Amino acid sequence: DSGVTQTPKHLITATGQRVTLRCSPRSGDLSVYWYQQSLDQGLQFLIQYYNGEERAKGNILERFSAQQFPDLHSELNLSSLELGDSALYFCASSPGLLGSYEQYFGPGTRLTVT
Amino acid sequence: AQSVTQLGSHVSVSEGALVLLRCNYSSSVPPYLFWYVQYPNQGLQLLLKYTSAATLVKGINGFEAEFKKSETSFHLTKPSAHMSDAAEYFCAVGTGGGNKLTFGTGTQLKVEL
Repeated sequence: DSGVTQTPKHLITATGQRVTLRCSPRSGDLSVYWYQQSLDQGLQFLIQYYNGEERAKGNILERFSAQQFPDLHSELNLSSLELGDSALYFCASSPGLLGSYEQYFGPGTRLTVT
Repeated sequence: AQSVTQLGSHVSVSEGALVLLRCNYSSSVPPYLFWYVQYPNQGLQLLLKYTSAATLVKGINGFEAEFKKSETSFHLTKPSAHMSDAAEYFCAVGTGGGNKLTFGTGTQLKVEL
């Protein structure tokens, strides 16, 4: 158990809908990362927050957004969903911003868009 | 931009045999390198990391990796494979600023009796 929790574990929704994925980082970790894992794209970094502020953006679509709240939990919002958004979405956390910090991954949310 | 290349999307070994999973990195600055393992239907678990303290890094479950700057490599090895090692393994490079990880495409390890 990494200490990172993600809810829900599974999500099935229809095209055009909007969903919210939730992540709670390890106790004490200030930095939260979101990744998408799909068969065709592999593991892709989406976005990072540090202590409530956006720090880095990766291959995140404009239809996707995220935020980190004062209690440090984070939410990833996916809207106008398309079939191609079906993937595993992972959240990870680390203590801070140093490159030497390892990231601890949650169990993921499997999103299926039908 | 920093990147990693994992050679071999599938590797098959016999139980008890040497495991060698290859990773080459591209980085303009000294990299931070990581190996993660993903078991079916689970998240990623850190095996080991290189942060320039020592070139030979020992991780969990008997795995180790050696950082070779001259070869820009960070290959993962285990002297004797066990059935429980069957999983997907990812090499990743971390950027200095912001700490996002760039992952390789992964290597699926199969261990046969």
